[in-house]
Amino acid sequence: DIQMTQSPSTLSASVGDRVTITCRASQNIEKWLAWYQQKPGRAPKFLIHDASSLQIGVPSRFSGSGSGTEFTLTISSLQPDDFATYYCHQYHDYPRTFGQGTKVEVK
Amino acid sequence: VQLLESGGDLVQPGGSLRLSCAASGFMFSSYVMAWVRQAPGKGLEWVSNIGPDIVTTHYAASVKGRFTISRDNSRNTLFLQMDSLRVEDTAVYYCAKIWGRGDLDYWGQGTLVTVSS
Repeated sequence: DIQMTQSPSTLSASVGDRVTITCRASQNIEKWLAWYQQKPGRAPKFLIHDASSLQIGVPSRFSGSGSGTEFTLTISSLQPDDFATYYCHQYHDYPRTFGQGTKVEVK
Repeated sequence: VQLLESGGDLVQPGGSLRLSCAASGFMFSSYVMAWVRQAPGKGLEWVSNIGPDIVTTHYAASVKGRFTISRDNSRNTLFLQMDSLRVEDTAVYYCAKIWGRGDLDYWGQGTLVTVSS
């Protein structure tokens, strides 16, 4: 199985900060990676697919990059609505796997 | 697009449960569909996918042989039959639509399955 490792597990930040979350795959997954945002008690929200393609309707302050085994999600200027947990997800191979999540909390 | 899960309940270990997911707002019969679960306070875990052909299915090792994914394209409904349930199957179960190769673009609100004696 492909293991997905996110870092950090928790990130403390302030409104306006630039935030970067890293996701590493245990083997090459090419560009087949998505990012999701989840708030407590809510379903995940689809942000980015194919490593760097922003889903329609997602604010442009979100961006994704990377390929192969190392990927990043960047929020260019953190907004109050962005405090949440973020997950990466590989869909290169079965079984599909998720990272353990990164919680972005108020500093 | 709307996905509405139902069927979650409290069930004893070893019991069975059938989850449903009613889909609307898109051509259900053309898309791969998935179930993803989230244990209380934990991360997301992919459970199963089913292709639009109804025949192509994939399962996580943790549920293979116990869970069966199916769909009724005439009723725009996705199912998850869960047998031989274990305490560790306790989770919120989400159904999700797959947009491309495997990315999950729309999710339901989830239904809670609790396995406990």
